[in-house]
Amino acid sequence: DADVTQTPRNRITKTGKRIMLECSQTKGHDRMYWYRQDPGLGLRLIYYSFDVKDINKGEISDGYSVSRQAQAKFSLSLESAIPNQTALYFCATSATGRLNEQYFGPGTRLTVT
Amino acid sequence: TQLLEQSPQFLSIQEGENLTVYCNSSSVFSSLQWYRQEPGEGPVLLVTVVTGGEVKKLKRLTFQFGDARKDSSLHITAAQPGDTGLYLCAGEEGNNRLAFGKGNQVVVIP
Repeated sequence: DADVTQTPRNRITKTGKRIMLECSQTKGHDRMYWYRQDPGLGLRLIYYSFDVKDINKGEISDGYSVSRQAQAKFSLSLESAIPNQTALYFCATSATGRLNEQYFGPGTRLTVT
Repeated sequence: TQLLEQSPQFLSIQEGENLTVYCNSSSVFSSLQWYRQEPGEGPVLLVTVVTGGEVKKLKRLTFQFGDARKDSSLHITAAQPGDTGLYLCAGEEGNNRLAFGKGNQVVVIP
């Protein structure tokens, strides 16, 4: 079984809809991250969390929100999806004190029409 | 966020050839990581380098961290089709975040 899982793997939705992407991990890591990947722009950090009660904005948090429901679960919400949020979304985890080495999920391909 | 520039953006070579890709910044990083990403999958960590001048080898892949800890290179010897992928470098910023480069897309033709 994969250590970091993401659901759904693919999603097509319409402008204005609320969408939630979920991430679960069995690695026992305390830190979790959400990134988006766009062609030509690389991986950009949306939000990150160093433990259950800690939530921090990344470089592109506008239009997104997150919830850290448990150490193993970190979800990303798009409150009102817009077409320029069409992208690949990745969840990642890391362990404190381990050089911030990150372990990524398989990604969610989101299309907003 | 500190900027990491990777070059070349795209590289296509024949199986058996050698290649080197680069990751450069004007900023100093406490550590630098390389990941490989294949289509439809998430990035997978290959190596972390910490000390200036450090060289690490992973089978046919050789990673070097610059003396000033601002740049890194990845050299692949006798490339195989299985080496095809997007190679991402990432530097650790002071706030426990990673800054990623845009990647080196490598294609190895059989």
